[in-house]
Amino acid sequence: GAVVSQHPSRVICKSGTSVKIECRSLDFQATTMFWYRQFPKKSLMLMATSNEGSKATYEQGVEKDKFLINHASLTLSTLTVTSAHPEDSSFYICSANEASGNTIYFGEGSWLTVV
Amino acid sequence: GDSVTQMEGPVTLSEEAFLTINCTYTATGYPSLFWYVQYPGEGLQLLLKATKADDKGSNKGFEATYRKETTSFHLEKGSVQVSDSAVYFCALKGQAGTALIFGKGTTLSVSS
Repeated sequence: GAVVSQHPSRVICKSGTSVKIECRSLDFQATTMFWYRQFPKKSLMLMATSNEGSKATYEQGVEKDKFLINHASLTLSTLTVTSAHPEDSSFYICSANEASGNTIYFGEGSWLTVV
Repeated sequence: GDSVTQMEGPVTLSEEAFLTINCTYTATGYPSLFWYVQYPGEGLQLLLKATKADDKGSNKGFEATYRKETTSFHLEKGSVQVSDSAVYFCALKGQAGTALIFGKGTTLSVSS
């Protein structure tokens, strides 16, 4: 079964609204989670590193005020896309490292469509 | 910084053909190397991995050997099936706790 769970798997929202995507580690505690974005037929782009109890570290070019990341517990990280626009439509995937840091699990991904 | 370079696709093969997808990397230290597969409309699945030089990862008939001397991790399969049609991503991971760095992906299309 899934070790890292993302929810929702698909979401449609209107322009200007905000949408939250959750990433949960089910069988282990994840001090670090990662958020990726994948455009159609493209590779995965690392957006940010989410650290439990501290601020996320964003990659260059990613707007931290638009893509809010919260990692309030050792099993949950959330990505909130604020004031969404159609160009934010994409496939968002999270991953989590097990305690050793060497085993990586990916969530199933979340399709976001902004209309 | 660390990076992964994959051969450009798409790769189009007939069933039972031999597959090679090239992957080379640039990294400091001794990264772990991975191949992931993504089927249409789905998330990523780990296909195989290798954590040190000369290790061979294998799964479902796919193999890849960690070659430090050539900084490569080429993916091979002796006889592909239609069900192998997917996008394949080569990736590396540096120090513990760091994110995976992905190649651009190679689309494989297998016809019967």
